[in-house]
Amino acid sequence: DGGITQSPKYLFRKEGQNVTLSCEQNLNHDAMYWYRQDPGQGLRLIYYSQIVNDFQKGDIAEGYSVSREKKESFPLTVTSAQKNPTAFYLCASSPPDRGPSYEQYFGPGTRLTVT
Amino acid sequence: KQEVTQIPAALSVPEGENLVLNCSFTDSAIYNLQWFRQDPGKGLTSLLLIQSSQREQTSGRLNASLDKSSGRSTLYIAASQPGDSATYLCAVSLHQTGANNLFFGTGTRLTVIP
Repeated sequence: DGGITQSPKYLFRKEGQNVTLSCEQNLNHDAMYWYRQDPGQGLRLIYYSQIVNDFQKGDIAEGYSVSREKKESFPLTVTSAQKNPTAFYLCASSPPDRGPSYEQYFGPGTRLTVT
Repeated sequence: KQEVTQIPAALSVPEGENLVLNCSFTDSAIYNLQWFRQDPGKGLTSLLLIQSSQREQTSGRLNASLDKSSGRSTLYIAASQPGDSATYLCAVSLHQTGANNLFFGTGTRLTVIP
């Protein structure tokens, strides 16, 4: 089955610890994205990557880091510098941009709780 | 910066009713607009995508319209069912060097009462 997988579904960490969220896709998509969702707010873009070994900051990149060593994988690290890391994190991917019919496909999300 | 607003924030309707969800955006120079469905604690499922040159798209009981000049889109759901209960999100894109960055509204939480 083709799709986007995120693991784990729930993640708990102590304040001050770095944590890495996994995102894998087997859709052969070039672009991948990380969003954060908080109650009462829309999704906000953290980082995106258009090709392997390249990524760009989104609107709220501070306190996060990413890597894109393989086309299928785009892990997100939430560092101790992120002030409010507790949130629902969503990964997405999209095929090459060939016009305005192109869309993003989302994974099931990881809920991170930091105490 | 693109701002996306969805009204109402929550809506309850009896089963069988037709309903309309609203989405407005401040910058009319969009690339496309997507409507998504999100069930509690789950990811997003794409429902409809309207390209900037299109006026509407239909899928089953769903119809989405786009009026770029006024910065508005509506999602019409016909003959609502309890299974339609979810949060509906609207997102618009601005084309940026090949990456389709989406700007999301805060969603409308729909409850269809049996």
